[in-house]
Formats: sequence, structure tokens, C-alpha cells
Amino acid sequence: SQKIEQNSEALNIQEGKTATLTCNYTNYSPAYLQWYRQDPGRGPVFLLLIRENEKEKRKERLKVTFDTTLKQSLFHITASQPADSATYLCALENYGGSQGNLIFGKGTKLSVKP
Amino acid sequence: KAGVTQTPRYLIKTRGQQVTLSCSPISGHRSVSWYQQTPGQGLQFLFEYFSETQRNKGNFPGRFSGRQFSNSRSEMNVSTLELGDSALYLCASSPTGRSDEKLFFGSGTQLSVL
Repeated sequence: SQKIEQNSEALNIQEGKTATLTCNYTNYSPAYLQWYRQDPGRGPVFLLLIRENEKEKRKERLKVTFDTTLKQSLFHITASQPADSATYLCALENYGGSQGNLIFGKGTKLSVKP
Repeated sequence: KAGVTQTPRYLIKTRGQQVTLSCSPISGHRSVSWYQQTPGQGLQFLFEYFSETQRNKGNFPGRFSGRQFSNSRSEMNVSTLELGDSALYLCASSPTGRSDEKLFFGSGTQLSVL
């Protein structure tokens, strides 16, 4: 079955720097990969979806890359701000199995210090 | 457009009791999925409903059940509560449940089992 690993449980960076979060998967390459943001005690909020034929997707200060050879997606936040502090989840489409149509990673908790 | 609404926001129950959680999806969304989120396990898929039919089910015991009504509202029920059922329960809706659709999550129901 598909397994997802997000590089670290926590990432601390200084305001203004670029945060880079990693999402690795182990088996088949999904046709789509999504990133969500989750604040404490709240539900995840969709940020970006990238398709396997798209190398890169941007939205304001966010950038996502998708490398099917490395089986990896990178999520970048440029000019990070304390308000970007949250947990970021990646999610892959699931082929069959009992995990629903999307499998979620456990997330990386980002803390941006002023 | 109103977002996904989950009620109640918080619940405290004791072992052995049962609980019913409610989810109202975004208007027009026919797919509703339920997830259990705990600090150690991340988002775990419970089940998905589409047009009043359970279409997919995760690896949870039969104590966890759900249903969907004709207006797409959904409920999940947990019987004979155990301490390990303490978690944030999230529901998410999307138009059809396809893996390339973004999920819209509610704020969740925080369940504490004492």
C-alpha cells in the first residue's frame, strides 16, 4: 500500500526566510498531489493541487513541485511570516485500499519566529 | 456559500457510552468523508458516503458507523466508547468525491472519552 512521509514533524525558521517542506511517497506515483494547511483545533484547508504532468505550481508566496522520479513533492513558502505557522499536510490519491480516495501524511508543524 | 458545519464542537463522554456526530456539507456537495485525527496517527480515514450510500470504508471496528441523508447531511455514530476513541473527528465534503477534487473540511468535533 502507499505510504507517505513528511520530512520532519517540526520545522522552525526565521521570519522572511523560505520554508521548504518535503513529502515523499513509496509506491506508485499518484496522478494528483494536494497540500493542506491545518491550524490547531481546526480542520485542514486546501492550498494547492499539482498534477503529475505539472512540474511546478505557484500561488502567491506558495510553490509546489512534483518529481515523480524521486517520488517527492516539495512545498515552499517564500518570505515566511509568523502567520504561516501551522501544520502542513500533503495528500495523495489512493488507488483502491481502505484509506479513501486521499491518503494524508502526518504533517509538518511549521513555526516561523519573528 | 456556507462552509462545512460540524456539531457539536466539543463532547465529553464516558467509556461505554455512545455518541452521534453531525456534518452538514457545502450545498451541492454529495460526497462526505469522515476522518479521525489523533496526534500520533494523523488523519485516519473512517468512511465516505455518496448519495446516501457508503462507498468506501477504512480499517475501523464495527463500533464506528455512519449514514447519509437525502440532503447529503451525514452522521457518524460510535458505540461502546473506549478511551482510545478520544480524538478530533473531521468531516469533509466535495462535489463527487473524486481524488482530484479538493476537500472542504469542517472544524471538527473534539471528543474526549473519560
